[in-house]
Amino acid sequence: NAGVTQTPKFRVLKTGQSMTLLCAQDMNHEYMYWYRQDPGMGLRLIHYSVGEGTTAKGEVPDGYNVSRLKKQNFLLGLESAAPSQTSVYFCASSYHLSGRAGNEQFFGPGTRLTVL
Amino acid sequence: GENVEQHPSTLSVQEGDSAVIKCTYSDSASNYFPWYKQELGKGPQLIIDIRSNVGEKKDQRIAVTLNKTAKHFSLHITETQPEDSAVYFCAASRRYSTLTFGKGTMLLVSP
Repeated sequence: NAGVTQTPKFRVLKTGQSMTLLCAQDMNHEYMYWYRQDPGMGLRLIHYSVGEGTTAKGEVPDGYNVSRLKKQNFLLGLESAAPSQTSVYFCASSYHLSGRAGNEQFFGPGTRLTVL
Repeated sequence: GENVEQHPSTLSVQEGDSAVIKCTYSDSASNYFPWYKQELGKGPQLIIDIRSNVGEKKDQRIAVTLNKTAKHFSLHITETQPEDSAVYFCAASRRYSTLTFGKGTMLLVSP
């Protein structure tokens, strides 16, 4: 099993450009998450999904959109990139939310995004 | 919402020493407290977790303690080794909710 994979690994954008980050998992997990990691800020939840066709906002959703058309994929979109969105983005998945067995989150390797 | 504070932000120890990382949380309804380890260039990985009905949990050289009254929990690593060097994140959540992470602790174990 590949676990959680993310595409691309690195990307440089100019302000105002758009892009989509792809996350895929092969563990048949219901729940998927997008986090951003900034120095000294830890991991902050952007959006998450509790199942195919559903999405919900996390702590820092502004400037991002997501879609979960297939259970195994979770896409993160930046419609008009800004320098403040320079960050490392991590996707994660879990079988359940906290409080139930199988709630461990499995993380992908990350995407390093720079917006100039 | 939940707020998780983590200290220290960096921790340097000699190989064989113990390391302790502490976290406090604000939401008294939180009942699940995992710890994740992030090695350089990789995504975080769960290393141990504890639920609010337990005060302490051990797994070989690592242990986690929870004080619900004071709303704090700690990660203890004994007999540290160079491969323990990483960033460690604590997190907290209510039941059936998403995790709120602390800001992380960079642990450096010197040979």
